[in-house]
Amino acid sequence: DTAVSQTPKYLVTQMGNDKSIKCEQNLGHDTMYWYKQDSKKFLKIMFSYNNKELIINETVPNRFSPKSPDKAHLNLHINSLELGDSAVYFCASSQEARERETQYFGPGTRLLVL
Amino acid sequence: AQSVTQLGSHVSVSEGALVLLRCNYSSSVPPYLFWYVQYPNQGLQLLLKYTTGATLVKGINGFEAEFKKSETSFHLTKPSAHMSDAAEYFCAVSEANSGYSTLTFGKGTMLLVSP
Repeated sequence: DTAVSQTPKYLVTQMGNDKSIKCEQNLGHDTMYWYKQDSKKFLKIMFSYNNKELIINETVPNRFSPKSPDKAHLNLHINSLELGDSAVYFCASSQEARERETQYFGPGTRLLVL
Repeated sequence: AQSVTQLGSHVSVSEGALVLLRCNYSSSVPPYLFWYVQYPNQGLQLLLKYTTGATLVKGINGFEAEFKKSETSFHLTKPSAHMSDAAEYFCAVSEANSGYSTLTFGKGTMLLVSP
């Protein structure tokens, strides 16, 4: 049973295209996150949703738009892909949005923009 | 603002040797501290975390870490390394009273284990 799952696992696309990454968690958690891991393995939070409401929106280009249709799903849509968007994108979830909560990570989506 | 510094992007040990991965943090309020492990081509898995109480925290796979407020450190140790411990390790901090779980990660330390 996969706790946090992401699709697709790999995504290769051309510059300028629009793509989506999907995330689902079956842990019954209220809070979900998107992180970006760059080529140097540095992880940085992009967005966080709590009960389908956006609570964290870091400095991210507005080409990136998250959507949470329900508590168990958080998708990431990226418009007009650029070379610099190539990275690994991780979805995570936690029981609540509180500071001490453990975040559970998905396996990642490896995006390569050519 | 919170930040995390992990000393050493790579640490090499022999199988059976002590593992020590260093983490120092900066936080204006009491921190919550985490160590995550990432195996190749996988997501991050929690090893252990410190919130309050006992400053020596035991985690999975024989790892432990000690919160030292005076040194602003949360170093990760394991008495005897196994080949299966080879992975990337991330220290992270979340500030209490910030309202939300905003993890700030260090840049990671790759642990290499040789036979």
